[in-house]
Amino acid sequence: QTVVTQEPSFSVSPGGTVTLTCGLSSGSVSTSYFPSWYQQTPGQAPRTLIYSTNTPSSGVPDRFSGSILGNKAALTITGAQADDESDYYCMLYMGSGISVFGGGTKLTVL
Amino acid sequence: QVQLQESGPGLVKPSETLSLTCAVSGYSISSGYYWGWIRQPPGKGLEWIGSIYHSGTTHYNPSLKSRVTMSVDTSKNQFSLKLTSVSVADTAVYHCARQDSYYESGNYYPYNWFDPWGQGTLVTVSS
Repeated sequence: QTVVTQEPSFSVSPGGTVTLTCGLSSGSVSTSYFPSWYQQTPGQAPRTLIYSTNTPSSGVPDRFSGSILGNKAALTITGAQADDESDYYCMLYMGSGISVFGGGTKLTVL
Repeated sequence: QVQLQESGPGLVKPSETLSLTCAVSGYSISSGYYWGWIRQPPGKGLEWIGSIYHSGTTHYNPSLKSRVTMSVDTSKNQFSLKLTSVSVADTAVYHCARQDSYYESGNYYPYNWFDPWGQGTLVTVSS
């Protein structure tokens, strides 16, 4: 069974740039997997950030961007702010109506 | 705007059936999209459970498929989840959400984003 992989944790300085990635235990992520990204703070529902690899959801600040980097999907935060400290989840479409979430990345801003 | 609200018992006994309902407002389920359930055990990540179309077509997570049944009630604009033979491992916050869909070979399939999400409801499995 294919596993969607994410870095368990990452840290970034305020104002800095960080790139979180979303890969596969076997194979490469492409746009055909329609990567989407979600931000979640404790006790809150996830918030959709990016879908279809690089399309920002309504109201998402433009410091969040999505792309394919090498064989992984990527979420880049440019000019990180304190309230970007959250858990970030990617989701990939595996075909035949099946979606799989990654394990999530806990981002610290300090 | 579109809003989703989960409801159901917060406590279920082991081996029994978990039943939840998601009420949708601001959008008619019959108008399109898929409607999904996602859960999150305490301190852990998100897990897609399954998604349902207004026609009743369903797609389930293969790892849960044998225990999951989803249904839709378009007259009440809501959809439901049943998970049988629950254990402590099924303790989680259960979210409902709208999911994008695409058309291929005569069928609609769920894929891509979930948005918006319901706030979630905690279901604890305990005797």
